[in-house]
Amino acid sequence: TQLLEQSPQFLSIQEGENLTVYCNSSSVFSSLQWYRQEPGEGPVLLVTVVTGGEVKKLKRLTFQFGDARKDSSLHITAAQPGDTGLYLCAAMDPGTYKYIFGTGTRLKVLA
Amino acid sequence: DAGITQSPRYKITETGRQVTLMCHQTWSHSYMFWYRQDLGHGLRLIYYSAAADITDKGEVPDGYVVSRSKTENFPLTLESATRSQTSVYFCASSESGQGGYTFGSGTRLTVV
Repeated sequence: TQLLEQSPQFLSIQEGENLTVYCNSSSVFSSLQWYRQEPGEGPVLLVTVVTGGEVKKLKRLTFQFGDARKDSSLHITAAQPGDTGLYLCAAMDPGTYKYIFGTGTRLKVLA
Repeated sequence: DAGITQSPRYKITETGRQVTLMCHQTWSHSYMFWYRQDLGHGLRLIYYSAAADITDKGEVPDGYVVSRSKTENFPLTLESATRSQTSVYFCASSESGQGGYTFGSGTRLTVV
């Protein structure tokens, strides 16, 4: 059973469109991170959310932590080809204290 | 240059050979990690280290050996490479071990 489920698994959109990626769990987390991994590179940390209901913005990317700290979303406004990549959420499993990664959303933005 | 560096970037080796993947970080982070990334399995933790001379197994440690004699280096050795170890390997570091890792660019290993 995957502790962090991401949806959708794949997403292909046109440049300029908006999109939302979800990261869901039944566990409560003290914090959650989002990473982006470009082809041929390692994941790069985008943001850490800590407080329930917290919203953080990084240029055209908006991250939200659920009120109950069980889920998170990533919204991209006016997507660009440079946003193409694998988006991963990650958090510390409160049961095992192991850092776990989500299943990932592979995004492709077409010019 | 500051950061986390992995070498080599690409490696082809034969079944049964020993191969070592190198990882070097310049921040003096306490924690270092080795992951492998495979389609359908995502990122899986192989080994991690909380400090020099302290290492522990992750999710998939079999067939791998690590050492950490210096804080900045964390090499991963495949003692006798198998085809199932063909993968992309990522090294990461973190000050706290609580998340927010910095990853290297990866080593793509092919075992033939």
